[in-house]
This record gives sequence, C-alpha cells and structure tokens, in this order.
Amino acid sequence: NFILTQPHSVSESPGKTVTISCTGSSGSIASNYVQWYQQRPGSVPTTVIYEDNQRPSGVPDRFSGSIDRSANSASLTISGLKTEDEADYYCQSHDSSNQWVFGGGTKLTVL
Amino acid sequence: EVQLVESGGGLVQPGRSLRLSCAASGFTFADYAMSWFRQAPGKGLEWVGFIRSKLYGGTTEYAASVKGRFTISRDDSKSIAYLEMNSLKTEDTAVYYCSRTYTWNYIDYWGQGTLVTVSS
Repeated sequence: NFILTQPHSVSESPGKTVTISCTGSSGSIASNYVQWYQQRPGSVPTTVIYEDNQRPSGVPDRFSGSIDRSANSASLTISGLKTEDEADYYCQSHDSSNQWVFGGGTKLTVL
Repeated sequence: EVQLVESGGGLVQPGRSLRLSCAASGFTFADYAMSWFRQAPGKGLEWVGFIRSKLYGGTTEYAASVKGRFTISRDDSKSIAYLEMNSLKTEDTAVYYCSRTYTWNYIDYWGQGTLVTVSS
C-alpha cells in the first residue's frame, strides 16, 4: 500500500513562512502528481495546489508546491502567513493502481 | 456560478442501503467527470470513487474499501450524479462530498457534503 505521511501539526507566526511535508512510503512520489487541499474549520475542502505546483485561479501566490525527488517527498509552502491560513492541509496523489491516496492531514496553527 | 448540492444522507442501519444525489448547476454537467469523497467525524479525507464523462466512456473507479458495495452513476439529462451505497457498515459513517473533477489531478469544485450515519 502506498502511504503519504504528513506531520500531525505545525505552527508559525503571522507573516512568517511555513512548509508542510508529505512523504511517500514507496516508489517515487514524482511518478504521479501531488495535490494539496485546504480545509478550514467547519468548511469544505478546497484545492490550493494541483499537479505538484499549479495554483488554481483565486489561490494567492503565497502558496507554492514542490517535489523533492531525493527525499521522495512533496512540500506545500505558505509565505506571509495570515490568520486565515489556519486550517487542515491534506496532500494527495495516486498509487500504482490509480487509487487516490490522501495523507493524514496537517493542522496549521497561525499564532 | 457552479453549484453542487448533495442530498440523501441520514441515519441508516448496518447492512441497509442508501442513495446519495449530487445536483449540479452552473456548468455543462455532461462534459465533466465527477468524484465522491468522504470524511469520517474528526478524521481525514478519503476518496470513494469517480465517474468519467460519457465522452470518456462514463466508466467508474472505486476505492478498495467500497468496491463491490458502492456504485456511482450519472444522469446527464438531469445533471445529477449518484452514489448508491449497499451493505453499509458502521465505518461508512462520514460526510460525503461530491466534486467536479476537472482533470484526474484537479478537483475544482466541491459540494457542501451530506452526513451519512450508519448505526443500529
């Protein structure tokens, strides 16, 4: 089974930069695209990054995605943190059977 | 404005069936694939399945956890996607979201979700 592992929680101050990692359990995370979803408390998920580093329209350029092949991991970086960025963030990719796989989610606290 | 509205959730006993609907508006429904996701209370996101547009065969894919029990279908004339859930288990308790699947890697719109509780 292909598993994506994220830190349970991260915290940072407003105005700072935070990076959330997503590490693949096997194979190469670069073999399939990685997406990132934001879910604010009590709200529906929204896509903030798709296809590793693409931002949907309306998502500020403070959000960026990248792949580190040597670490078999993907990262979501949020710069210029705002209190409104406080949310759960999920990475997602596909396994070799084209099943969608989600990471367990990372709770971002902006304090 | 794109809108996705799920309905059909509720309380159901283990082993019974339930059908969820996802009514779409604001776009040409037939042109898009649709996906279903779920989120158990206090837990993370889980993919349930996916149906392609008729242009790509209208075929479906399912998560291993629901394959053989759940069926996704679509009625393009009504702009509705369905999730038929059979042999429900307590672990199927979750908020179920439908979503517009722009590409295999990009969900661009999500519905508000409907809660399914499986309990005796």
